Amino acid sequence: ETGVTQTPRHLVMGMTNKKSLKCEQHLGHNAMYWYKQSAKKPLELMFVYSLEERVENNSVPSRFSPECPNSSHLFLHLHTLQPEDSALYLCASSQLQGGTGELFFGEGSRLTVL
Amino acid sequence: AQSVTQLDSQVPVFEEAPVELRCNYSSSVSVYLFWYVQYPNQGLQLLLKYLSGSTLVKGINGFEAEFNKSQTSFHLRKPSVHISDTAEYFCAVIGAYGQNFVFGPGTRLSVLP
Repeated sequence: ETGVTQTPRHLVMGMTNKKSLKCEQHLGHNAMYWYKQSAKKPLELMFVYSLEERVENNSVPSRFSPECPNSSHLFLHLHTLQPEDSALYLCASSQLQGGTGELFFGEGSRLTVL
Repeated sequence: AQSVTQLDSQVPVFEEAPVELRCNYSSSVSVYLFWYVQYPNQGLQLLLKYLSGSTLVKGINGFEAEFNKSQTSFHLRKPSVHISDTAEYFCAVIGAYGQNFVFGPGTRLSVLP
């Protein structure tokens, strides 16, 4: 496995469900990110983890809960979502302090909330 | 803080024609500049990047971009496009001191037969 992998690629859930998105990076990077990409909107940075500590949380609703158990894994726990949360969720990683900060993206998880 | 503007939301072009996708940025510090491409239902893939040195940067798939500091621009060009270049293209900037990435809104390139 190389790069950044995300599972599942597609997820359909009801508003009362609880699900999780998973991201794994095999690049030895020290920072991981969650982005939200909605139709006709710019990419939105949701969370940033650097060295497994959350360093940024851009006013994301509490129904989104990130978890970074180690430098290679990142989760986004979802509960009681709204239809407007339907979007492509992209995970990325980068090497801070010593790298250019270039982001490496996964293929994304397409979420549909019914 | 940095910001990025992509003036064209959509660019239609015929196959084998040249194309230029425009990107302008603003920043009070030195920056690194990037172009990413996103094919349908996929993540973003790096096309090319400018860190320092030569202002003309060559990337994958025949794309190139030129950094113009005085005009704060980083336009993407390709002399002859293919149908397979149809995708969304994002310009991005990061401060050279490690601030977070800032992405432009994207330009949808449609290559017509």
